[in-house]
Parts: sequence; C-alpha cells; structure tokens
Amino acid sequence: AQKITQTQPGMFVQEKEAVTLDCTYDTSDPSYGLFWYKQPSSGEMIFLIYQGSYDQQNATEGRYSLNFQKARKSANLVISASQLGDSAMYFCAMRERTNDYKLSFGAGTTVTVRA
Amino acid sequence: DSGVTQTPKHLITATGQRVTLRCSPRSGDLSVYWYQQSLDQGLQFLIQYYNGEERAKGNILERFSAQQFPDLHSELNLSSLELGDSALYFCASSVGGAGEQETQYFGPGTRLLVL
Repeated sequence: AQKITQTQPGMFVQEKEAVTLDCTYDTSDPSYGLFWYKQPSSGEMIFLIYQGSYDQQNATEGRYSLNFQKARKSANLVISASQLGDSAMYFCAMRERTNDYKLSFGAGTTVTVRA
Repeated sequence: DSGVTQTPKHLITATGQRVTLRCSPRSGDLSVYWYQQSLDQGLQFLIQYYNGEERAKGNILERFSAQQFPDLHSELNLSSLELGDSALYFCASSVGGAGEQETQYFGPGTRLLVL
C-alpha cells in the first residue's frame, strides 16, 4: 500500500497567489515525521519543512506552512505569495519507526507559477 | 547549497559496465543515504549507512553495493549495468541514524545514462 499519496500531478498558480499541495499518508505508528521537499528543473532536492506527529502547532518556514490534520492523516503544504522561482516538483515524504526510519516519498506534484 | 557533495554530476556508460558514485556528507553528519529517482519508479530508498555500518536497506539490487568509509564519505557501486539503471542517483545525509525527526539533506545528484 502507498504510504504517501499526492493526488495532484500538476497545478498552475498565478504569481503572488497562494497554493495548497495535498498530501495524505498511511501509518499505524504513533510517532512519525513528515517532510516536504522541492525539486526544481535543475534536479536537486531541497528540504522545505518538517512536521512531527506530536507537534501541537502547524509548522511554518517563511512562505511555507504545513496544514497538519492528524485525524485525517493529511499534511498539506501551503505556499503563500507564489514566486516564479517556486515552479518545481514538490514531494511529500514520511519517516516512521515501524519502517526503520526509511524516508518514503509520494509521487510528487508539479507546480507552475504564471506571471 | 545543502553541503552534501556528489561526484560525478553526469555519467554516461554502456550496458554491462561498472560505475562508482561518490558522496561526501555535510560536516558533522554521520548518516548517508542513497536514493534512485527514475520516471517509472519515482524516488526509491536504496540503502543507509551510519558511522560506517549499514543501518537500513531498501530496494537495492544485488548488482548494487555501497560502503561508508572512516572519513564518512560513501560510494555506491553499480555493476552489470542495464538500460533500466538509467536514473538520477541521490545521496543524502543526516546527523543521526534513526529518529522520525531526522532531516535528510540531499546532494545535487548524479545523472546516470546507460546506453
């Protein structure tokens, strides 16, 4: 079974607008970590934001915030005030003890920011 | 720049050949991870080393092997190469070996093309 599901293969967003990227996960482990990475067309993987399963507050990192809904097992990434440089592939990933802390990735969502 | 270095950036070789990919982790990081990214399989975890010892194994083929040296750099050896091994190979590093909160920082990747 897929541990991380990203249902949006591609999205378009207007510059300066906000965009939400969906991520749902599957785990029975009470302790896990959720990560978002950005992969521009140049290919490198850039760490954006982390949310722990026991964190009471949603994580924020500059223009990135994570909408963490534990009961629904979702960890959506919100990018505010989109910039042209945000055009990239975005991956949601999870690390859990019961999977020996291996990082499991979703299929990714491509975001294209329009001027 | 994540601080993780990988060489070479690009590699073109023929089927049946053997190649070695090299990775230097961020200063202070003890864990090194190897991932393969291909169009059909997505991002797949291959193997993790922690302070010189193999810590976790993923979908790594028997034709592939890795090691981590005393100076903590790591090498991924790919042998008897097939066309399907063409992919982007990432190395990542983190401070510790286990824990759901460990953030992995990725190198720029090595793009392998098998002809």
